[in-house]
Amino acid sequence: DGGITQSPKYLFRKEGQNVTLSCEQNLNHDAMYWYRQDPGQGLRLIYYSQIVNDFQKGDIAEGYSVSREKKESFPLTVTSAQKNPTAFYLCASTANRYGYTFGSGTRLTVV
Amino acid sequence: AQSVSQHNHHVILSEAASLELGCNYSYGGTVNLFWYVQYPGQHLQLLLKYFSGDPLVKGIKGFEAEFIKSKFSFNLRKPSVQWSDTAEYFCAAGGDSGGYQKVTFGTGTKLQVIP
Repeated sequence: DGGITQSPKYLFRKEGQNVTLSCEQNLNHDAMYWYRQDPGQGLRLIYYSQIVNDFQKGDIAEGYSVSREKKESFPLTVTSAQKNPTAFYLCASTANRYGYTFGSGTRLTVV
Repeated sequence: AQSVSQHNHHVILSEAASLELGCNYSYGGTVNLFWYVQYPGQHLQLLLKYFSGDPLVKGIKGFEAEFIKSKFSFNLRKPSVQWSDTAEYFCAAGGDSGGYQKVTFGTGTKLQVIP
């Protein structure tokens, strides 16, 4: 079945550590997105990429970094510069303007 | 700047009651509108979408939404809710640039349906 796979499902980070969240899709979609979901704040866009080797900052990019070396993969690194990283992170992709396909998410907790 | 407002943060209904969730958007230009649903423990999934044409759009599971351009609104409706409709609902808006779009989401409405 085609879809988006996010891993891990749960991730714990110590203060000062960088962690990388994985997002892989086998839908042959060109565009991929990272959103952060916090209670009462909806989904906020972190980064997005419309083609390989190119990506743009979203509304809350500070403290995050991404890469897009392959069409199928769009990993997100949460750096130590992100002051409040505890959140639910969602990856999405699309081939057109008709709506996103979402992954199941990664819940990141700072310990 | 593009924005989406959802007025109801938490709605509690009894089964068979009618549902209307409010959504207003702000966008300069032609806009595409969406409602997504997140059932407990499941992926976000597309409920319905509007691009052009008939302002009343029908989605999955008996949901519909009406685009009212003059009011910048895209409210979600269902005549009779079921317990299985318990979920969080997100309104979203994206520009019609013809290519891949950046979609802005509202803050979500949690719907609880009581049997």
